[in-house]
Amino acid sequence: LAKTTQPISMDSYEGQEVNITCSHNNIATNDYITWYQQFPSQGPRFIIQGYKTKVTNEVASLFIPADRKSSTLSLPRVSLSDTAVYYCLVGDIYNFNKFYFGSGTKLNVKP
Amino acid sequence: GAGVSQTPSNKVTEKGKYVELRCDPISGHTALYWYRQSLGQGPEFLIYFQGTGAADDSGLPNDRFFAVRPEGSVSTLKIQRTERGDSAVYLCASSFQGVDTEAFFGQGTRLTVV
Repeated sequence: LAKTTQPISMDSYEGQEVNITCSHNNIATNDYITWYQQFPSQGPRFIIQGYKTKVTNEVASLFIPADRKSSTLSLPRVSLSDTAVYYCLVGDIYNFNKFYFGSGTKLNVKP
Repeated sequence: GAGVSQTPSNKVTEKGKYVELRCDPISGHTALYWYRQSLGQGPEFLIYFQGTGAADDSGLPNDRFFAVRPEGSVSTLKIQRTERGDSAVYLCASSFQGVDTEAFFGQGTRLTVV
């Protein structure tokens, strides 16, 4: 079970780019990296997933170096509504039940 | 429905009572997961269903917790002899065949044991 380490909290201002880095030193060959976002009083919501290099969608980008021991979630031009907890998950996509959420990173976007 | 629905949204019960929490997954999703989330913590896995069967119940904390999914759709999480430490938000998620890790979560049921 690949555990992850990410900052407990981060502050940013509206319009800035935010990068949240996650460490996963014991990632396995079959493991993917997935990020979820959670707002207060809501369930987590899928943001992005990747295996290596770079993945981009309409919400975020995910950067994964060649050794895959870390990854960085990049949120372009954040707004107040991006204030949430962000979870980095690492695991085999065929075993989502094995994914470990941890405590996540609390992102606080200020005006 | 359009998303995962959990009922009730809030439940207050007395210590020692029995409670049932319901989850309606997205139609067609064969995989269903239950999680428990305490304040300030991430979701903690409880049990995973693939169809009607519990494929992994390793997260259930003790035998007071039980879950069923008799027809492969709606699931019920049952907690017997509730304790104050059971107070948490109980989240349900579903996904298509359990392969795609884009699991869809419900809003959760906030359980308070007094």
